[in-house]
Amino acid sequence: GDSVTQMEGPVTLSEEAFLTINCTYTATGYPSLFWYVQYPGEGLQLLLKATKADDKGSNKGFEATYRKETTSFHLEKGSVQVSDSAVYFCALSVRGTYKYIFGTGTRLKVLA
Amino acid sequence: DTGVSQDPRHKITKRGQNVTFRCDPISEHNRLYWYRQTLGQGPEFLTYFQNEAQLEKSRLLSDRFSAERPKGSFSTLEIQRTEQGDSAMYLCASSSLAGGLGEQFFGPGTRLTVL
Repeated sequence: GDSVTQMEGPVTLSEEAFLTINCTYTATGYPSLFWYVQYPGEGLQLLLKATKADDKGSNKGFEATYRKETTSFHLEKGSVQVSDSAVYFCALSVRGTYKYIFGTGTRLKVLA
Repeated sequence: DTGVSQDPRHKITKRGQNVTFRCDPISEHNRLYWYRQTLGQGPEFLTYFQNEAQLEKSRLLSDRFSAERPKGSFSTLEIQRTEQGDSAMYLCASSSLAGGLGEQFFGPGTRLTVL
């Protein structure tokens, strides 16, 4: 069945460091891909999305490129801030039902 | 538009009791989803509705769980004879078919604690 695999956390970085959170997927067909963020005490918020191969999603300095050949959708940010501390979830949307399959989440902690 | 709302935000109950949660989706959204999130895990799909029709249920949804969406507006998720393993965050999300992408908007969740 469809699945999403995310790198385990926690990831601890200093402010202004480069961030990569790896995400790979297994899916039948061509799913849409998403990154959601969950700040402490808050609900899931969409961070960025991509619908087809080679699409790049971007928002708030974060980027991810839909790579069909490697079935990946890695999240990157060039310079993280303390305010980026949160849990990040990679997800795919199953064609037809559009239900989400989530990864287990990666906790990011950014130190000043 | 105030987004997806859920009620209550927190529920503490004793094992064996029944609980019901409510979700109010974004008004023009015709799809509504329920997920369950346990500590340290990503949300897991439970069920979804298109308008008032329940179109898919996960194997996670045992016969103690039931969900409804009368008139295709708000939805309720009921858990009968709760067990300690039911303790989790229950998330509701909605989306619009017209959007095509299927992007879902999530509510704040209902945290259930079964003692």
